[in-house]
Amino acid sequence: AQSVAQPEDQVNVAEGNPLTVKCTYSVSGNPYLFWYVQYPNRGLQFLLKYITGDNLVKGSYGFEAEFNKSQTSFHLKKPSALVSDSALYFCAVRALSGGYNKLIFGAGTRLAVHP
Amino acid sequence: AAGVIQSPRHLIKEKRETATLKCYPIPRHDTVYWYQQGPGQDPQFLISFYEKMQSDKGSIPDRFSAQQFSDYHSELNMSSLELGDSALYFCASCTSGGYNEQFFGPGTRLTVL
Repeated sequence: AQSVAQPEDQVNVAEGNPLTVKCTYSVSGNPYLFWYVQYPNRGLQFLLKYITGDNLVKGSYGFEAEFNKSQTSFHLKKPSALVSDSALYFCAVRALSGGYNKLIFGAGTRLAVHP
Repeated sequence: AAGVIQSPRHLIKEKRETATLKCYPIPRHDTVYWYQQGPGQDPQFLISFYEKMQSDKGSIPDRFSAQQFSDYHSELNMSSLELGDSALYFCASCTSGGYNEQFFGPGTRLTVL
């Protein structure tokens, strides 16, 4: 079974500091990994994805993620956090089912960026 | 750019009533997914459609049904509502192909009293 784990319920970081939101995955076969962000009472917004190629993936709003196959991780990073980055972040993996790509989400990590 | 549209945005129902949630995918997206997000929970996959046919089924109760119409919009029908059905229901769409990201709508918040 495919799954993702986000070990931190909440991450606190000061504005201007680098941030990391952790994600590890368990898949059979090649992993297709995604990060989404959710603001209060809003839908999920796509940030970035890893399908193949470079291990460092760049996405929206200055976010990037590093794919590490040996550690089965796909951590989300940003060099300099903004207060407006405060939101709920979900890591997700594509679950193979008849060739259709439903997403399996992690439990989510709440990012709080303090001024 | 056009986004996924969901209606209604908020819905309040009594126990044992029925509800219908609608989803209008991004133009030219042929695949629609439905997810349920309970309070403080991650989204859970319910059901999906590709080219108007059900393509996958997740943890969707038998009381719920869904379909995708010829214009690719989808409806989630929920009957005999229970208090535990109170949640945020998301629709997502994408073009077919395993690499494509899903684009989510703003969700319908269903409250069952």
